[in-house]
Amino acid sequence: QVQLQESGPGLVKPSQTLSLTCTVSGGSISSGTFYWSWIRQPAGKGLEWIGRIYTSGSTNYNPSLKSRVTISLDTSKNQFSLKLSSVTAADTAVYFCARVAYCSPASCQRGRIDYWGQGTLVTVSS
Amino acid sequence: SYDLTQTPSVSVSPGQTASITCSGDKLGDKFVCWYQQKPGQSPVLVIYQDNKRPSEIPERFSGSNSGNTATLTISGTQAMDEADYYCQAWDSSTGVFGGGTRLTVL
Repeated sequence: QVQLQESGPGLVKPSQTLSLTCTVSGGSISSGTFYWSWIRQPAGKGLEWIGRIYTSGSTNYNPSLKSRVTISLDTSKNQFSLKLSSVTAADTAVYFCARVAYCSPASCQRGRIDYWGQGTLVTVSS
Repeated sequence: SYDLTQTPSVSVSPGQTASITCSGDKLGDKFVCWYQQKPGQSPVLVIYQDNKRPSEIPERFSGSNSGNTATLTISGTQAMDEADYYCQAWDSSTGVFGGGTRLTVL
């Protein structure tokens, strides 16, 4: 059974960089046709896709966040990470890490998010 | 950018059929997933590839997708189905979620 667990600071100051890590257990992040994704949800609002990274390290980002987002892999630790720069209060949200199955750079039309982390709340405030 | 639109709320009586729609330009040309999210929990996949159910999801959940609209149907709705439901599709290399529909079982 694959499990994902987010970790990182729960409070970030405005203009600083939000950094989160997702630790994956029950499977290797460097094998299979999986993308590893970050998704966020402001309180009382809907889900927003942030971006994804393939097992090869290839990334795709939400165009609205692309200039501020970096997602990376650490295969030695079976982790992937999110960095979001120049944060504002609008970036306050629960951040989820997730696995996208049946998805590759060639095609993701059949891709689905089959495992989610429990989510971690990040508040941007001075 | 590609947008998916959902009705914000739907109400249904226990035992009745609930229909939750998701609309987008030529959505029928894409595969749609549906996720259920209960308060304080992570989303759960209930439908993938328009109409396929993960093995652990009850048969009362079904889906369809044609033209510009995808539909999640819950037959014989139960109180435990009360939740937020999100549609999701891939637009080229970008993931897109609908705004979500709150299903209330009255």
